[in-house]
Amino acid sequence: DAGITQSPRHKVTETGTPVTLRCHQTENHRYMYWYRQDPGHGLRLIHYSYGVKDTDKGEVSDGYSVSRSKTEDFLLTLESATSSQTSVYFCAISEGRNEQFFGPGTRLTVL
Amino acid sequence: LAKTTQPISMDSYEGQEVNITCSHNNIATNDYITWYQQFPSQGPRFIIQGYKTKVTNEVASLFIPADRKSSTLSLPRVSLSDTAVYYCLVGEVKRDDKIIFGKGTRLHILP
Repeated sequence: DAGITQSPRHKVTETGTPVTLRCHQTENHRYMYWYRQDPGHGLRLIHYSYGVKDTDKGEVSDGYSVSRSKTEDFLLTLESATSSQTSVYFCAISEGRNEQFFGPGTRLTVL
Repeated sequence: LAKTTQPISMDSYEGQEVNITCSHNNIATNDYITWYQQFPSQGPRFIIQGYKTKVTNEVASLFIPADRKSSTLSLPRVSLSDTAVYYCLVGEVKRDDKIIFGKGTRLHILP
Protein backbone atom coordinates (compact mmCIF):
# COMPACT_ATOMS: atom_id res chain seq x y z
CA ASP A 1 0.00 0.00 0.00
CA ALA A 2 1.06 3.56 -0.70
CA GLY A 3 2.58 5.35 2.28
CA ILE A 4 -0.19 7.74 3.15
CA THR A 5 -1.48 8.54 6.60
CA GLN A 6 -4.14 10.85 7.96
CA SER A 7 -4.42 12.42 11.37
CA PRO A 8 -6.44 12.47 13.42
CA ARG A 9 -8.48 9.42 12.46
CA HIS A 10 -11.46 10.55 14.50
CA LYS A 11 -12.40 13.95 15.83
CA VAL A 12 -15.39 15.43 17.56
CA THR A 13 -15.58 19.18 17.76
CA GLU A 14 -18.07 21.95 18.34
CA THR A 15 -19.59 24.37 15.88
CA GLY A 16 -17.44 27.45 15.36
CA THR A 17 -14.11 25.92 16.32
CA PRO A 18 -11.20 25.66 13.89
CA VAL A 19 -10.14 22.20 12.78
CA THR A 20 -7.06 21.07 10.88
CA LEU A 21 -6.70 17.67 9.28
CA ARG A 22 -3.31 16.44 8.18
CA CYS A 23 -2.36 14.19 5.29
CA HIS A 24 1.18 12.84 5.17
CA GLN A 25 2.78 10.83 2.35
CA THR A 26 6.12 9.08 2.00
CA GLU A 27 5.81 8.42 -1.76
CA ASN A 28 6.98 11.82 -3.04
CA HIS A 29 3.91 12.02 -5.29
CA ARG A 30 3.22 15.34 -6.91
CA TYR A 31 -0.56 15.48 -6.56
CA MET A 32 -2.49 15.46 -3.30
CA TYR A 33 -6.25 15.70 -2.79
CA TRP A 34 -8.84 16.17 -0.10
CA TYR A 35 -12.26 14.58 -0.55
CA ARG A 36 -15.30 14.37 1.63
CA GLN A 37 -17.74 11.48 1.52
CA ASP A 38 -21.32 11.69 2.65
CA PRO A 39 -24.23 9.27 2.27
CA GLY A 40 -25.98 9.83 -1.03
CA HIS A 41 -23.21 12.02 -2.44
CA GLY A 42 -20.31 9.71 -3.07
CA LEU A 43 -16.83 11.24 -3.05
CA ARG A 44 -16.57 14.97 -3.66
CA LEU A 45 -13.34 16.83 -4.23
CA ILE A 46 -12.68 19.72 -1.82
CA HIS A 47 -9.22 20.95 -2.83
CA TYR A 48 -6.20 19.54 -4.55
CA SER A 49 -2.52 20.36 -4.88
CA TYR A 50 -0.27 19.89 -7.89
CA GLY A 51 2.94 20.88 -6.13
CA VAL A 52 4.35 22.67 -3.13
CA LYS A 53 2.36 25.85 -2.58
CA ASP A 54 0.26 25.11 -5.66
CA THR A 55 -3.35 24.39 -4.81
CA ASP A 56 -6.73 24.76 -6.42
CA LYS A 57 -10.39 24.39 -5.55
CA GLY A 58 -12.55 21.36 -6.15
CA GLU A 59 -16.31 21.15 -6.40
CA VAL A 60 -17.10 21.72 -2.68
CA SER A 61 -14.40 24.10 -1.47
CA ASP A 62 -16.54 26.64 0.43
CA GLY A 63 -15.64 26.71 4.13
CA TYR A 64 -12.32 24.93 3.59
CA SER A 65 -8.76 26.05 3.03
CA VAL A 66 -5.61 24.05 2.36
CA SER A 67 -1.89 24.46 2.55
CA ARG A 68 1.05 22.54 1.22
CA SER A 69 4.41 23.83 2.39
CA LYS A 70 6.20 20.51 1.88
CA THR A 71 5.80 17.76 -0.69
CA GLU A 72 4.80 15.25 1.95
CA ASP A 73 2.16 17.22 3.86
CA PHE A 74 -1.22 18.55 2.78
CA LEU A 75 -3.33 20.26 5.44
CA LEU A 76 -7.08 20.83 5.31
CA THR A 77 -8.45 23.55 7.57
CA LEU A 78 -12.00 24.29 8.56
CA GLU A 79 -11.72 27.86 9.85
CA SER A 80 -15.04 27.68 11.70
CA ALA A 81 -16.56 24.23 11.67
CA THR A 82 -20.27 23.80 10.97
CA SER A 83 -22.53 20.78 11.39
CA SER A 84 -22.75 20.47 7.61
CA GLN A 85 -19.05 19.64 7.60
CA THR A 86 -19.63 16.47 9.57
CA SER A 87 -18.28 13.88 7.17
CA VAL A 88 -15.59 11.36 6.41
CA TYR A 89 -12.57 13.04 4.87
CA PHE A 90 -10.18 11.19 2.60
CA CYS A 91 -6.79 12.28 1.41
CA ALA A 92 -5.35 10.87 -1.81
CA ILE A 93 -2.09 11.09 -3.70
CA SER A 94 -1.10 10.44 -7.29
CA GLU A 95 1.61 10.94 -9.85
CA GLY A 96 -0.61 12.01 -12.71
CA ARG A 97 -1.55 8.66 -14.18
CA ASN A 98 -5.17 8.74 -12.98
CA GLU A 99 -4.33 6.18 -10.30
CA GLN A 100 -4.97 7.73 -6.93
CA PHE A 101 -3.96 6.14 -3.64
CA PHE A 102 -6.22 6.90 -0.72
CA GLY A 103 -5.56 7.28 2.95
CA PRO A 104 -7.57 5.56 5.69
CA GLY A 105 -9.91 8.52 6.20
CA THR A 106 -10.78 10.86 9.06
CA ARG A 107 -14.22 10.80 10.60
CA LEU A 108 -15.14 14.31 11.71
CA THR A 109 -18.20 15.10 13.79
CA VAL A 110 -19.22 18.71 14.38
CA LEU A 111 -21.73 19.11 17.18
CA LEU B 1 -15.41 17.12 -18.30
CA ALA B 2 -16.70 13.72 -19.28
CA LYS B 3 -19.64 12.81 -17.08
CA THR B 4 -20.25 9.18 -16.25
CA THR B 5 -23.47 7.33 -15.58
CA GLN B 6 -23.60 4.02 -13.73
CA PRO B 7 -26.36 1.95 -12.16
CA ILE B 8 -26.92 2.93 -8.56
CA SER B 9 -26.95 -0.64 -7.32
CA MET B 10 -26.69 -4.25 -8.45
CA ASP B 11 -27.18 -7.64 -6.83
CA SER B 12 -25.53 -10.89 -7.84
CA TYR B 13 -24.69 -14.29 -6.40
CA GLU B 14 -21.44 -15.89 -5.41
CA GLY B 15 -19.66 -17.60 -8.29
CA GLN B 16 -21.36 -15.49 -10.97
CA GLU B 17 -19.66 -13.13 -13.38
CA VAL B 18 -20.70 -9.53 -12.76
CA ASN B 19 -20.65 -6.83 -15.41
CA ILE B 20 -21.03 -3.18 -14.47
CA THR B 21 -21.51 -0.80 -17.36
CA CYS B 22 -20.60 2.87 -17.32
CA SER B 23 -21.79 5.40 -19.86
CA HIS B 24 -19.55 8.32 -20.83
CA ASN B 25 -20.96 9.80 -24.01
CA ASN B 26 -18.75 12.90 -24.14
CA ILE B 27 -15.43 11.21 -23.50
CA ALA B 28 -12.51 13.17 -24.97
CA THR B 29 -9.72 11.85 -27.14
CA ASN B 30 -7.13 12.00 -24.36
CA ASP B 31 -9.36 10.55 -21.65
CA TYR B 32 -8.69 7.22 -19.98
CA ILE B 33 -11.28 5.12 -18.17
CA THR B 34 -10.48 4.09 -14.61
CA TRP B 35 -12.37 1.97 -12.12
CA TYR B 36 -12.08 2.05 -8.34
CA GLN B 37 -13.46 -0.21 -5.62
CA GLN B 38 -14.43 0.96 -2.16
CA PHE B 39 -15.19 -1.18 0.87
CA PRO B 40 -17.05 0.26 3.86
CA SER B 41 -14.90 2.44 6.11
CA GLN B 42 -12.01 2.43 3.62
CA GLY B 43 -10.79 4.73 0.89
CA PRO B 44 -11.26 3.73 -2.75
CA ARG B 45 -8.75 1.38 -4.32
CA PHE B 46 -7.66 1.38 -7.96
CA ILE B 47 -8.84 -1.69 -9.89
CA ILE B 48 -8.13 -1.20 -13.56
CA GLN B 49 -7.57 1.41 -16.25
CA GLY B 50 -7.90 1.36 -20.02
CA TYR B 51 -8.09 3.46 -23.16
CA LYS B 52 -9.65 1.13 -25.74
CA THR B 53 -10.50 -2.52 -26.49
CA LYS B 54 -9.84 -4.84 -23.56
CA VAL B 55 -7.64 -4.75 -20.52
CA THR B 56 -7.28 -7.60 -18.05
CA ASN B 57 -5.48 -7.93 -14.75
CA GLU B 58 -5.62 -10.35 -11.85
CA VAL B 59 -8.73 -8.71 -10.44
CA ALA B 60 -10.96 -7.72 -13.37
CA SER B 61 -11.37 -7.08 -17.07
CA LEU B 62 -12.34 -3.84 -18.71
CA PHE B 63 -14.12 -3.82 -22.05
CA ILE B 64 -14.23 -0.64 -24.10
CA PRO B 65 -16.04 -0.55 -27.47
CA ALA B 66 -14.59 1.24 -30.46
CA ASP B 67 -16.62 4.42 -29.93
CA ARG B 68 -15.49 4.56 -26.26
CA LYS B 69 -18.83 5.98 -25.16
CA SER B 70 -19.24 3.26 -22.59
CA SER B 71 -17.16 0.72 -20.73
CA THR B 72 -17.87 -2.48 -18.84
CA LEU B 73 -16.08 -3.69 -15.75
CA SER B 74 -16.22 -7.47 -15.54
CA LEU B 75 -15.61 -9.30 -12.26
CA PRO B 76 -15.23 -13.06 -12.76
CA ARG B 77 -16.69 -15.50 -10.24
CA VAL B 78 -17.51 -12.99 -7.54
CA SER B 79 -17.44 -13.82 -3.84
CA LEU B 80 -19.06 -12.17 -0.83
CA SER B 81 -15.90 -10.10 -0.37
CA ASP B 82 -16.56 -8.34 -3.67
CA THR B 83 -19.48 -6.53 -2.07
CA ALA B 84 -18.42 -2.89 -2.43
CA VAL B 85 -19.05 0.35 -4.28
CA TYR B 86 -17.49 0.56 -7.73
CA TYR B 87 -16.68 3.91 -9.32
CA CYS B 88 -16.14 4.61 -13.00
CA LEU B 89 -14.02 7.67 -13.76
CA VAL B 90 -13.04 9.31 -17.01
CA GLY B 91 -10.18 11.73 -17.31
CA GLU B 92 -6.98 12.69 -19.01
CA VAL B 93 -3.75 11.12 -17.88
CA LYS B 94 -1.50 13.78 -16.33
CA ARG B 95 -4.54 15.89 -15.57
CA ASP B 96 -5.65 14.40 -12.27
CA ASP B 97 -7.24 17.70 -11.35
CA LYS B 98 -10.08 16.91 -13.74
CA ILE B 99 -10.99 13.58 -12.23
CA ILE B 100 -14.43 13.45 -10.65
CA PHE B 101 -15.86 10.60 -8.62
CA GLY B 102 -19.59 10.09 -9.01
CA LYS B 103 -21.82 8.12 -6.68
CA GLY B 104 -20.69 4.75 -7.98
CA THR B 105 -22.48 1.41 -8.19
CA ARG B 106 -23.24 -0.41 -4.98
CA LEU B 107 -22.66 -4.12 -5.70
CA HIS B 108 -24.17 -6.58 -3.27
CA ILE B 109 -23.12 -10.22 -3.56
CA LEU B 110 -25.53 -12.75 -2.12
CA PRO B 111 -24.64 -16.27 -0.94
